[in-house]
Amino acid sequence: AQSVTQLGSHVSVSEGALVLLRCNYSSSVPPYLFWYVQYPNQGLQLLLKYTSAATLVKGINGFEAEFKKSETSFHLTKPSAHMSDAAEYFCAVSEGNNAGNMLTFGGGTRLMVKP
Amino acid sequence: DAGVTQSPTHLIKTRGQQVTLRCSPISGHKSVSWYQQVLGQGPQFIFQYYEKEERGRGNFPDRFSARQFPNYSSELNVNALLLGDSALYLCASSLGRHLRNTEAFFGQGTRLTVV
Repeated sequence: AQSVTQLGSHVSVSEGALVLLRCNYSSSVPPYLFWYVQYPNQGLQLLLKYTSAATLVKGINGFEAEFKKSETSFHLTKPSAHMSDAAEYFCAVSEGNNAGNMLTFGGGTRLMVKP
Repeated sequence: DAGVTQSPTHLIKTRGQQVTLRCSPISGHKSVSWYQQVLGQGPQFIFQYYEKEERGRGNFPDRFSARQFPNYSSELNVNALLLGDSALYLCASSLGRHLRNTEAFFGQGTRLTVV
């Protein structure tokens, strides 16, 4: 079984500050890991994904995440927050080729950006 | 290019009724997955269909069923609606069955309210 834990359901940062959203996972097989963003009343948009290549993954809009197997973590970072980054962020895990494209999501972190 | 389209965008049903939600994948995509997102939570996997066959099923009761048509569009049916079925239902399409070399694109969802 696989699971995802996102620490902090709400994170507030000032515009221009570092964004750090935490994600820990559990998986019985080498995982694929994803970060999605959801704006109000919209679906999910993929920010980045890890599929066993480079451990530091760069995504869209200046976001990046680092896969750390020893810590079972895949934290999302952005050096400088922008007002447009305010949204809900979801970390997700897939058990690679064993599970089709079934994604198991964390509970989400709402990012608020203060001017 | 059109993205994943879902219909209707909103609907209200009474307890005990049945509902059908529809999803048209991106042109050329053969995989469709359904997710339920209860307010304040992350999406939960319901079904995956690939090449018109069920390839995965989440932990949902038999009241939930789905199918995929020859043109790869899909319907999700929910019978005997309960108040707890109120949620945003998301459809995701992808080119292939697995997520290693493909991406899941999400529609904007159908907001179902059961009263």
